[in-house]
Amino acid sequence: KAGVTQTPRYLIKTRGQQVTLSCSPISGHRSVSWYQQTPGQGLQFLFEYFSETQRNKGNFPGRFSGRQFSNSRSEMNVSTLELGDSALYLCASSETNGGYNNEQFFGPGTRLTVL
Amino acid sequence: AQTVTQSQPEMSVQEAETVTLSCTYDTSESDYYLFWYKQPPSRQMILVIRQEAYKQQNATENRFSVNFQKAAKSFSLKISDSQLGDAAMYFCAYWGSRDDKIIFGKGTRLHILP
Repeated sequence: KAGVTQTPRYLIKTRGQQVTLSCSPISGHRSVSWYQQTPGQGLQFLFEYFSETQRNKGNFPGRFSGRQFSNSRSEMNVSTLELGDSALYLCASSETNGGYNNEQFFGPGTRLTVL
Repeated sequence: AQTVTQSQPEMSVQEAETVTLSCTYDTSESDYYLFWYKQPPSRQMILVIRQEAYKQQNATENRFSVNFQKAAKSFSLKISDSQLGDAAMYFCAYWGSRDDKIIFGKGTRLHILP
């Protein structure tokens, strides 16, 4: 099986712009979780989608949003980018709901740089 | 709120030696899961080992084992016979049903010295 893929791998944007990141889970996996990784804050949970529904959400402002399609692919969107949004964005897929007794498989991440 | 603390930002170990990475957590839940994830320089995070809180027996996966002390809320990772490929950032993580999300520690960067 192919692993979790994320596109694009690198992205440079300027403040105020918006960005959309994509994640394709492992075939058969229905849960996709998103994380933001920064040197200062470490890995922080953004949200989880399962069967096109948002199951859980972290403590991020409303500028961060996501969605999941019927084929389980997921996108996350960040509007009105700020310098502090520069980070590695990781997505992870699992067969059912994330975390509980289900191994999460991570993608390589999208490195977002906001200038 | 649940928290996960890794007090060692960086560690080094000689190849073939044994190293232990520390992790403590805070929770009021009695049933939860603990994980160690490895993130090599290529950035793809992988699960190293998982421990269910209701199981008293410590989990082991080949050269990787944990020391789970539930009362002390401690969950350390022992890597035996360290290899160059073990060099990575290691994250301790917690999942409980209350928050229903994985909470990660800040990570420990492990260097393997040849």
